[in-house]
Amino acid sequence: QVQLQESGPGLVKPSQTLALTCTVSGDSISSGTYYWTWIRQYPGKGLEWIGYIYYSGNTFYNPSLKSRVTISVGTSNNQISLNLGSVTAADTAVYYCARGIRLYGIDVWGQGTTVTVSS
Amino acid sequence: DIQMTQSPSSLSASVGDSVTISCRASQSIGSYLNWYQQEPGKAPKLLIYAASHLQRGVPSRFSGSGSGTDFTLTIGSLQPEDLGTYYCHQSYTTPATFGQGTRLEIK
Repeated sequence: QVQLQESGPGLVKPSQTLALTCTVSGDSISSGTYYWTWIRQYPGKGLEWIGYIYYSGNTFYNPSLKSRVTISVGTSNNQISLNLGSVTAADTAVYYCARGIRLYGIDVWGQGTTVTVSS
Repeated sequence: DIQMTQSPSSLSASVGDSVTISCRASQSIGSYLNWYQQEPGKAPKLLIYAASHLQRGVPSRFSGSGSGTDFTLTIGSLQPEDLGTYYCHQSYTTPATFGQGTRLEIK
């Protein structure tokens, strides 16, 4: 059974960098089948795609965040990292990591982690 | 970006009713349309992928149809556990985008 677990600080100060890790179990990031994505959900419930990374290391980011976001393979080969710089209160959201295939949707989601940006 | 517009934004229905939710894309996305259910306090769950394909383990009362710009999710014979918010999602191009959600309440 594939499971994804997000981890990281729940509170980040404005202008700092939000750093989250997604640990994948039951599948290998390098399997070559899926993309690994970060999505966030605002308090008002809207969903925003942040970006994704393929096993090859290729990344694709939402243009609205591109200058501030980096998705990479973590220090453990079965982890995905998200870094979002220069955060403001508008970045307060629940952050999800997830697994997907373009034609087959996003089939596995982590439970999500709440990040609040506040001084 | 491709805009995804869902209707209605909310609805209330009784157990046993049939319910339909619509999703319209601002440009053609072929069949790259997926539907998710989000129960309160949980992550979204994939119901339908590629517009009309039922995800493994999802009850057959859920069905999807459409292509191009207009899509529909139908829940036949509504059950109490179907409450939550439903989202459509286009995976045709980046950035992937989601509809604003349809909140389903069980009377």
